[in-house]
Amino acid sequence: AQKITQTQPGMFVQEKEAVTLDCTYDTSDPSYGLFWYKQPSSGEMIFLIYQGSYDQQNATEGRYSLNFQKARKSANLVISASQLGDSAMYFCAMREGNQGGKLIFGQGTELSVKP
Amino acid sequence: DAGVIQSPRHEVTEMGQEVTLRCKPISGHNSLFWYRQTMMRGLELLIYFNNNVPIDDSGMPEDRFSAKMPNASFSTLKIQPSEPRDSAVYFCASGLYQGTSVFEQYFGPGTRLTVT
Repeated sequence: AQKITQTQPGMFVQEKEAVTLDCTYDTSDPSYGLFWYKQPSSGEMIFLIYQGSYDQQNATEGRYSLNFQKARKSANLVISASQLGDSAMYFCAMREGNQGGKLIFGQGTELSVKP
Repeated sequence: DAGVIQSPRHEVTEMGQEVTLRCKPISGHNSLFWYRQTMMRGLELLIYFNNNVPIDDSGMPEDRFSAKMPNASFSTLKIQPSEPRDSAVYFCASGLYQGTSVFEQYFGPGTRLTVT
């Protein structure tokens, strides 16, 4: 079974609008962490935001926020005020319990920002 | 901070040849990860080290792959002999292991390997 599911292979958003990228996860471990990474066309992986399973509040980092709905096992990334430079692949990832640093990645969502 | 450094950035080699990929983690980080990215399989963890010790190598495809971390500032991933299906982008990442887990992992720029 897929541990991390990103159901949107591709998304379009108009510049300056907000966009939500979906991510659902599957784990029976009560302790886990959820991550979002950005991969622009240049290929590097850029860490965006982290949410721990015990965190009470949704994580935010600048224009990025994580809509964490624990009961639904979803960890959607919200990008506010989209910019052209936000066009990239976005990956959701999970670290389970005491797995050290092992991350399991979803298949990614390609976001295109239109001017 | 220089970030994670990987070399070479691009490698083209012929089937059967030995390939060595190199990684220098961020200074002060004590965890190091090797990932492989392909269109078919996405991003997958090959192996990771904590304090220079291999912790989980279950993602290493087969015996042709080996990884070492002789010290805190250097790691290698070796493929011998290489095969066309090894063609992929190989990422190295590092992080700070605290308590039981690593939080952020910072990725290097990757090595694009092509085996002909």
